[in-house]
Amino acid sequence: QKEVEQDPGPLSVPEGAIVSLNCTYSNSAFQYFMWYRQYSRKGPELLMYTYSSGNKEDGRFTAQVDKSSKYISLFIRDSQPSDSATYLCSVEDSNYQLIWGAGTKLIIKP
Amino acid sequence: DTGVSQNPRHKITKRGQNVTFRCDPISEHNRLYWYRQTLGQGPEFLTYFQNEAQLEKSRLLSDRFSAERPKGSFSTLEIQRTEQGDSAMYLCASSLSSGAETQYFGPGTRLLVL
Repeated sequence: QKEVEQDPGPLSVPEGAIVSLNCTYSNSAFQYFMWYRQYSRKGPELLMYTYSSGNKEDGRFTAQVDKSSKYISLFIRDSQPSDSATYLCSVEDSNYQLIWGAGTKLIIKP
Repeated sequence: DTGVSQNPRHKITKRGQNVTFRCDPISEHNRLYWYRQTLGQGPEFLTYFQNEAQLEKSRLLSDRFSAERPKGSFSTLEIQRTEQGDSAMYLCASSLSSGAETQYFGPGTRLLVL
């Protein structure tokens, strides 16, 4: 079992829809949870990070962590075609290294 | 632009040749990371530096790979005797030592080994 699991998609939704992206992780000791966005042939771009459980909001993006179920989510409101990208979740382990999901490819249809 | 920069952006080489990539981190960041990413996968950790000290190296990293950060600023990643399986995107990231979770990535170097 991978330490971080993420559905590769693709996930295709119409413009303006609310998008829900999810990951599960295996180690309850993880404390930091990150979401990165990666456009084709570019490096990952940090969107948000969350410490422990709870929600964090930044504009149209909301990150949510449920440590009891080891489940992390990213919600995108009012999705735009420019949001089309691969979204990667990652967690920080006890050695301060990032462990990554495989990424979910998101397509926003105009 | 004060972000992380990487050079070259693309490299095509023949199997058996050596290649070297360079990464310039964000200036105040003392941690520097190297990752490898293949299509449809998340980044795979290779190694990281705290200033000029190489603190960790992935067990998966072949002896053909070596990285340096001689003055604690830029870093180089060298691959000797390249193999076709080395074809990937090589990513560099940097962070402050207190914020490993907030790593900022460069655009990557895409390597193709023929």
